[in-house]
Amino acid sequence: EAAVTQSPRNKVAVTGGKVTLSCNQTNNHNNMYWYRQDTGHGLRLIHYSYGAGSTEKGDIPDGYKASRPSQENFSLILELATPSQTSVYFCASGDVGGRSSYEQYFGPGTRLTVL
Amino acid sequence: GDKVKQSPSALSLQEGTNSALRCNFSIAATTVQWFLQNPRGSLINLFYLVPGTKENGRLKSTFNSKESYSTLHIRDAQLEDSGTYFCAADTGNTRKLIFGLGTTLQVQP
Repeated sequence: EAAVTQSPRNKVAVTGGKVTLSCNQTNNHNNMYWYRQDTGHGLRLIHYSYGAGSTEKGDIPDGYKASRPSQENFSLILELATPSQTSVYFCASGDVGGRSSYEQYFGPGTRLTVL
Repeated sequence: GDKVKQSPSALSLQEGTNSALRCNFSIAATTVQWFLQNPRGSLINLFYLVPGTKENGRLKSTFNSKESYSTLHIRDAQLEDSGTYFCAADTGNTRKLIFGLGTTLQVQP
């Protein structure tokens, strides 16, 4: 079973502050993803990565940066947090095909509140 | 939600009954995933589909890429089936998932 963990699980931040959300996967998957979930929008892709050192913009990247320092770790960074970034954030990992499927596996989520 | 449309948006079932959830795609989906988000908020993988059908216990899912839809059938619904079901499509280029808005299912005793 795929294992994706996220920290922190809950976070309260102040407007203008810096927030870093961390994700770790032990599946040796090449691809990792950050999504946010909001009522009325479902899950939307913020940033993703094809491997260590790579980051790509997803569908809603504005206001977010990402960092992939290793195969296992993928961080989402809010340099100047705003109340509109209050949401639940999910990290996921997935493989690149070949003998493996492209199935994505999700972490438990981080609830972020920006006051 | 426009590229992946789920129906119905909400559903209430009596325990022991059957139902079907549907996703329609306006994109060229190559694979589909179905998830259950439980009351704690965790996303549980139910199915990963290339075109075809898979079955797992009381759940059965079909993905028809030519007609751009996928279905999830729930047989003999149980209380623990309650939650929100999401489908998500991958167009095969970048391995990004595009999610529908979900179907919230409540199973009543």
